[in-house]
Amino acid sequence: NAGVTQTPKFQVLKTGQSMTLQCAQDMNHNSMYWYRQDPGMGLRLIYYSASEGTTDKGEVPNGYNVSRLNKREFSLRLESAAPSQTSVYFCASSEAVGQNYGYTFGSGTRLTVV
Amino acid sequence: DAKTTQPPSMDCAEGRAANLPCNHSTISGNEYVYWYRQIHSQGPQYIIHGLKNNETNEMASLIITEDRKSSTLILPHATLRDTAVYYCIVSDYSGTYKYIFGTGTRLKVLA
Repeated sequence: NAGVTQTPKFQVLKTGQSMTLQCAQDMNHNSMYWYRQDPGMGLRLIYYSASEGTTDKGEVPNGYNVSRLNKREFSLRLESAAPSQTSVYFCASSEAVGQNYGYTFGSGTRLTVV
Repeated sequence: DAKTTQPPSMDCAEGRAANLPCNHSTISGNEYVYWYRQIHSQGPQYIIHGLKNNETNEMASLIITEDRKSSTLILPHATLRDTAVYYCIVSDYSGTYKYIFGTGTRLKVLA
């Protein structure tokens, strides 16, 4: 099925470890986004990529880096994980430049940092 | 910060219309109003969006006041599967449509 695929679905890290969350979309969307959601909270924007080759900071970028590898893939990297980064991470994508059909979200990566 | 204000929770009887309000008093002329919902801990699902006119699709209706300072999402015949957190978001185009989520309204549909 067409959509946004996130890997892994679950991950446990030790404090200080690094990891990369992967996201891929097959809808030929230009824009991609990374959000985190803490328990009982709304989603907060970490980074986004309006188009291939560009990335920008969102509301809570500290402690993260991103790479827009190509039009399909947008990865999120935690260089040195901290317990405060325990969260559910959602990737999303949206339509081509100027078009407005809403976001498609992935099913999330549940990350626990111990 | 989110530009919208929503009640934290609402109940609705199954089969009745669910009317979810949203205040966006500082909305600018180019900003759209979007509604999404999140069931359990799944990824949010797009419902509907609009700029000035009322909109309807197979899922819901969106009523935007004439001054655009508030809107209402209407689920015409709520079912138990509509139990979810509903988010109202405003956004305009600046290279992309960037969403800042608030905490949403937790809708519980009662049997």
